[in-house]
Amino acid sequence: NAGVTQTPKFQVLKTGQSMTLQCAQDMNHNSMYWYRQDPGMGLRLIYYSASEGTTDKGEVPNGYNVSRLNKREFSLRLESAAPSQTSVYFCASSVVETYEQYFGPGTRLTVT
Amino acid sequence: GNSVTQMEGPVTLSEEAFLTINCTYTATGYPSLFWYVQYPGEGLQLLLKATKADDKGSNKGFEATYRKETTSFHLEKGSVQVSDSAVYFCALINGNNRLAFGKGNQVVVIP
Repeated sequence: NAGVTQTPKFQVLKTGQSMTLQCAQDMNHNSMYWYRQDPGMGLRLIYYSASEGTTDKGEVPNGYNVSRLNKREFSLRLESAAPSQTSVYFCASSVVETYEQYFGPGTRLTVT
Repeated sequence: GNSVTQMEGPVTLSEEAFLTINCTYTATGYPSLFWYVQYPGEGLQLLLKATKADDKGSNKGFEATYRKETTSFHLEKGSVQVSDSAVYFCALINGNNRLAFGKGNQVVVIP
């Protein structure tokens, strides 16, 4: 039982490049989330998916897109990376009834 | 919407000292409250929770009591260890199965 897995762990991009961050969970959770963590800002929600086939914007969705590929997988795409997107990105999943979220280990992204 | 506020700044203390991290909340009704912990280089993990007023959550020697009179959910531990060095986040449900997090407090325990 791996929990929530994320790939890659580290990534360096040049401004304007695109990439997709992958997330998968094996806990049969309905809800999945993407957060970014920046110093002094705590965690901010980018997008979330309440269930397979649905996605909604969070606090800071600009510059990102998401795909809920199936119940297990939820990917985050940066179409044209900007230095302001340098951050640590976390994926999480949860059971609706308990609201407890389980987090992946994170992806550290640097945009130069 | 519902929100939490954590005390500003890192916390540095010696091993076996008493730890308190303050968290106050603003909410409609009495949503569940959580403390999450993030160890260096890792994702967040749930430390404890309380689902209703006057509940006490506890885990790994940490405790927090849901106090509606003072709208608080302060985290405490009686005797910290070096291994407790981490970032601690207070959180609550902000509707639609979303969590709203505080900014987090870095705790550094010195041997």
